[in-house]
Amino acid sequence: SYELSQPPSVSVSPGQTATVTCSAEALARQYASWYQQKPGQAPVLLIYQDTERPSSIPARFSGSRSGTTATLTISGVQADDEADYFCQSVDTSRGCVFGNGTSVTVL
Amino acid sequence: EVQMVQSGAEVKEPGESLRLSCQISGNTFVNYSITWVRQMPGKGLEWMGTTTPGDSETYYSPSFQGRVSISGDTSVNTAYLQWNSLRASDTAIYYCARLLQFGESQNHLDPWGQGTLVTVSS
Repeated sequence: SYELSQPPSVSVSPGQTATVTCSAEALARQYASWYQQKPGQAPVLLIYQDTERPSSIPARFSGSRSGTTATLTISGVQADDEADYFCQSVDTSRGCVFGNGTSVTVL
Repeated sequence: EVQMVQSGAEVKEPGESLRLSCQISGNTFVNYSITWVRQMPGKGLEWMGTTTPGDSETYYSPSFQGRVSISGDTSVNTAYLQWNSLRASDTAIYYCARLLQFGESQNHLDPWGQGTLVTVSS
């Protein structure tokens, strides 16, 4: 097993851009996914395979990867984007590892 | 549209047994995998294990191996998470989710069930 490292919190003003990073050596050879979790709700898939976005997810959410770091970018942040964001990748056969999560606060 | 529907909240005493269920609907693939994830109060997400009912294969996180049992029944499109003897430290929300796996380097979870709150207290 291994760890995915995320910053505990990120603050951003409405309309600005928020970036959340996720780092691990394993990400050099494995893809990352991202989930949004609002208080009292189940997580929702935002990004998979580093950059792919489900059709139901707004285009202001995007993903990228460079080397061992995956990044979630939220462009034009809205108040409704205030939530916890988790990255995830593969661990062993059909296993998953999650980052500790990043709390995004909209100022 | 695929949906995951979980059983309702539970309140149990330490030492009791419990089985949670997660039914997948709208799935058009025979060989799906369902993953269970724990979220302790105020904490992050932890992978517990994944079952592929069509293959009768189940994989456990080392952190949960021996503590829980994960299984599935293709006849009712349902996966289960079971404890034989609960502890207070099992108090958490438990989520199921469909696992989509592509080779050895990529998987993701979508959709998720609504979550089941389990409270273990004397």
